[in-house]
Amino acid sequence: AQSVAQPEDQVNVAEGNPLTVKCTYSVSGNPYLFWYVQYPNRGLQFLLKYITGDNLVKGSYGFEAEFNKSQTSFHLKKPSALVSDSALYFCAVRGPQTGANNLFFGTGTRLTVIP
Amino acid sequence: DGGITQSPKYLFRKEGQNVTLSCEQNLNHDAMYWYRQDPGQGLRLIYYSQIVNDFQKGDIAEGYSVSREKKESFPLTVTSAQKNPTAFYLCASSRTAGQKNTEAFFGQGTRLTVV
Repeated sequence: AQSVAQPEDQVNVAEGNPLTVKCTYSVSGNPYLFWYVQYPNRGLQFLLKYITGDNLVKGSYGFEAEFNKSQTSFHLKKPSALVSDSALYFCAVRGPQTGANNLFFGTGTRLTVIP
Repeated sequence: DGGITQSPKYLFRKEGQNVTLSCEQNLNHDAMYWYRQDPGQGLRLIYYSQIVNDFQKGDIAEGYSVSREKKESFPLTVTSAQKNPTAFYLCASSRTAGQKNTEAFFGQGTRLTVV
């Protein structure tokens, strides 16, 4: 069975500091990994994905994520946090099986950037 | 302007009533999904559809029903059998059901409250 874990419910970081939002996954075969961001009372916006190739993936709004196969992790990072980055972040994984029901989400991490 | 449109944004339902949430997409996507979001629980899959006139139950389908008569539309009905319907409902779509490297695109959500 596949799953995604976001071990931190809440992450606080000062504006201008680097931020990391953690994600670990469990899936058989090659994983397909995604990060989404959600602002209050809005839908999820796609940030970036890892399919294959370079372990460092760059996405929207200056975010990037590092795929680490040995640690089964896909942490989201940004070199310098902005107050506007404050939101709820979701990691998701697709397993190797086909079918539309193979996208699994973590429980989310609330990021607060302190001015 | 391409995307996924959910309506209404806010919906109030009396006990014992059925209500229908609308989801329309003009992205020409084959696959569509309904998720329920509750605080601290992430996204849970209610129903999904891989193609017109086909849909499958997700993890929490009890008390819900859907239809997929047109490619663009995937309405969700919350029936009186759903014991705890108050939640934020998210509709999503993706290009094809079996293509694992494609991200899902989300609507802005409908917040349903039982009064």
